[in-house]
Amino acid sequence: QVQLQESGPGLVKPSQTLSLTCTVSGGSISSGGYYWSWIRQHPGKGLEWIGYIYYSGSTYYNPSLKSRVTISVDTSKNQFSLKLSSVTAADTAVYYCARDVEEWLPLGGVCYYFDYWGQGTLVTVSS
Amino acid sequence: DIQMTQSPSSLSASVGDRVTITCRASQSISSYLNWYQQKPGKAPKLLIYAASSLQSGVPSRFSGSGSGTDFTLTISSLQPEDFATYYCQQSYTTPRTFGQGTKLEIK
Repeated sequence: QVQLQESGPGLVKPSQTLSLTCTVSGGSISSGGYYWSWIRQHPGKGLEWIGYIYYSGSTYYNPSLKSRVTISVDTSKNQFSLKLSSVTAADTAVYYCARDVEEWLPLGGVCYYFDYWGQGTLVTVSS
Repeated sequence: DIQMTQSPSSLSASVGDRVTITCRASQSISSYLNWYQQKPGKAPKLLIYAASSLQSGVPSRFSGSGSGTDFTLTISSLQPEDFATYYCQQSYTTPRTFGQGTKLEIK
């Protein structure tokens, strides 16, 4: 059973960098066919995808956050990490890490979906 | 970005009811549509992927249909544990985007 666990500070000051790590257990982050994503949820709001990384290090970031986001991977520790710079109160949210499955469909095409999620960690931006 | 719009935003129903939630994409996304259930204080849980494929372990009362721009999630007979918020999400292209959610409440 794959499990993901977020860790990092729950309080970050404005203008500083938010840093979170997701530790994967029960499976290898280096397995092909999986991307590793960060998703956030503002209090009482919907879900916003931040970006993903493949075990090789290739990344894709949501253009809305691209200038401030860095996602990295450490395959030796089976972890991937998120850094979000120059944070403001608008970055206060629950941050989730999730496994993003790449599945080739029988009739052709490839579908992606988030099958395993961490429990989420609330990060508050406040002085 | 592809915009995902769910309707209704909230819904009241009773145990045993048949419920349908709709999701509309701002452009065609073929069948690259997933559905998630989220309970308060918990992470979302995958229910349906590729529009109609039931995730392993999810009860068969959940079903999905649609392609192109219009999709539905149906719960055939509501159970007490089904009262939650439901989200659709497209994986046709990046950035991945979610609907705003449909909150299913007990009548």
